[in-house]
Amino acid sequence: NAGVTQTPKFRILKIGQSMTLQCTQDMNHNYMYWYRQDPGMGLKLIYYSVGAGITDKGEVPNGYNVSRSTTEDFPLRLELAAPSQTSVYFCASATGRVGYTFGSGTRLTVV
Amino acid sequence: ELKVEQNPLFLSMQEGKNYTIYCNYSTTSDRLYWYRQDPGKSLESLFVLLSNGAVKQEGRLMASLDTKARLSTLHITAAVHDLSATYFCAVLRETSGSRLTFGEGTQLTVNP
Repeated sequence: NAGVTQTPKFRILKIGQSMTLQCTQDMNHNYMYWYRQDPGMGLKLIYYSVGAGITDKGEVPNGYNVSRSTTEDFPLRLELAAPSQTSVYFCASATGRVGYTFGSGTRLTVV
Repeated sequence: ELKVEQNPLFLSMQEGKNYTIYCNYSTTSDRLYWYRQDPGKSLESLFVLLSNGAVKQEGRLMASLDTKARLSTLHITAAVHDLSATYFCAVLRETSGSRLTFGEGTQLTVNP
């Protein structure tokens, strides 16, 4: 099993550009999450989904959008990138009783 | 709003010494996790604590949970350099989509 796969691993964006961070899991987990981690900080929840077609905001959703059309995929869309969105982004999946599985992260720099 | 606080945030210790990292949280929770993160890497699950009085040990690390005090501890015994990493506690609430709320992390450096 691949677990949780994130692409790309690194990306540099210019201010105002848009991009989609991809996240795919092959464990048939219902719950999926996007977190961001700023340098020297803990992880903060951006958006989450409890199943296909259902998404909700976390602590820091501004500037991001998500969709969940399938159980496997949970892409995160950045519109009009800003320097404040420079961060490491982690996708994770979980079932109701099993712990989280985290992806390897996407390191994003906005210049 | 659930808040999770860790202390200390930075810890420099000598090999062979013992120390404890503390994790306080503000509201009742369903589960508490401890994670390890090496620089530039993802999070590695260390422990999950499910109930009051739970204690788990793996090698030189031991985690415990006191739900009444809303406190978890991660105790390091006879530290070695390989334990140098950042340690996070995280609290899960099933009623909120099984969301994890993280502490800020404790950056541990073990010196020879």
